[in-house]
Amino acid sequence: KAGVTQTPRYLIKTRGQQVTLSCSPISGHRSVSWYQQTPGQGLQFLFEYFSETQRNKGNFPGRFSGRQFSNSRSEMNVSTLELGDSALYLCASSRRAGGDNSPLHFGNGTRLTVT
Amino acid sequence: AQSVTQLDSQVPVFEEAPVELRCNYSSSVSVYLFWYVQYPNQGLQLLLKYLSGSTLVKGINGFEAEFNKSQTSFHLRKPSVHISDTAEYFCAVIQNTGGFKTIFGAGTRLFVKA
Repeated sequence: KAGVTQTPRYLIKTRGQQVTLSCSPISGHRSVSWYQQTPGQGLQFLFEYFSETQRNKGNFPGRFSGRQFSNSRSEMNVSTLELGDSALYLCASSRRAGGDNSPLHFGNGTRLTVT
Repeated sequence: AQSVTQLDSQVPVFEEAPVELRCNYSSSVSVYLFWYVQYPNQGLQLLLKYLSGSTLVKGINGFEAEFNKSQTSFHLRKPSVHISDTAEYFCAVIQNTGGFKTIFGAGTRLFVKA
């Protein structure tokens, strides 16, 4: 069974630009979560999608957005990039439907560097 | 709301020595607890999970953890570590506040020395 796939692995962008990251979950997983990982803040929850609907959202500005397609693939977009957006962005999928306790399965992340 | 505190940011240990990585959680409801490991340039992998039942949980790579409700702890242990265990370890809890999301501790970097 293929794991969670994130593309691209590395990105270098300039302040003010926008970026789109992609995530393909494990087959059969309908929940996709996104996390931002930085040395200073650790793992911060961005949002979770389930069946094309955003079900949870973390405390990030509106520049961070996402969506999920009917095949469960997800994208996240960051507009008007700032230097502080440099981070490893991790996507995780799970079988989690409503109220269950399934663990997360992570991709290897996209490392975004903003210059 | 649930939260997780990992008490050590770094733990250096010699190869073949035992290790314990400490995790405390706060919650007023049923808890689901996890340990994940992250190797350099990779995502996180599930080591083990506690959902219910036996308080001693065994995971992959020889790791185990004990759920202690009275002390609100979920410490991770391994009796004999290898160089290859060098990685960052995250304790996590599922938070149930208007939806389920996994909240992670700040991480503990385990450094195994030869």
